[in-house]
Amino acid sequence: GESVGLHLPTLSVQEGDNSIINCAYSNSASDYFIWYKQESGKGPQFIIDIRSNMDKRQGQRVTVLLNKTVKHLSLQIAATQPGDSAVYFCAKNNAGNMLTFGGGTRLMVKP
Amino acid sequence: SQTIHQWPATLVQPVGSPLSLECTVEGTSNPNLYWYRQAAGRGLQLLFYSVGIGQISSEVPQNLSASRPQDRQFILSSKKLLLSDSGFYLCAWSPLIIRELFFGEGSRLTVL
Repeated sequence: GESVGLHLPTLSVQEGDNSIINCAYSNSASDYFIWYKQESGKGPQFIIDIRSNMDKRQGQRVTVLLNKTVKHLSLQIAATQPGDSAVYFCAKNNAGNMLTFGGGTRLMVKP
Repeated sequence: SQTIHQWPATLVQPVGSPLSLECTVEGTSNPNLYWYRQAAGRGLQLLFYSVGIGQISSEVPQNLSASRPQDRQFILSSKKLLLSDSGFYLCAWSPLIIRELFFGEGSRLTVL
């Protein structure tokens, strides 16, 4: 379900290091899994998605991994930059034709 | 290309005053429309969604209401604001068969 009442967990990384943001899900009835990036004071923006029949998809500096066995989704950001500082949300579609969002993780990049 | 606009971007209102946030989508027809609220440092809470004109589904009982007077227009309203209504409100749209949501830039509401 939605974790709207919880404070966001924070991941702090050094500039240039790789970042890994994780998401666990419980309901397996999903076709797509999506990662969003939300910068301060702005609406969430689509980063990358992955279909349920895939286990890995790569974009520019980002990789999404899907492990359906343990119901785990991760977003890997290579060579993290200050501009990557944001809140990252995972999301998945469900049987009711809706998106369910995870609680979000705040990524802080230290110069 | 499709665009989504919501306004106002920032709003400071006294307790008990009315609210109207407006959202419009351009470049698509028959979108699903959504209103989310995000408290400071929190996740996204779905408030309302609409699959067509005049069709509104409410996810959370609250002091707010939504209306869809036109295909690409979605309005969030309140007759009397509460302090707890403060937050960051996001409008979003999706195609009929959802794959992803496209969010507006958000409206920050502060109720004093």
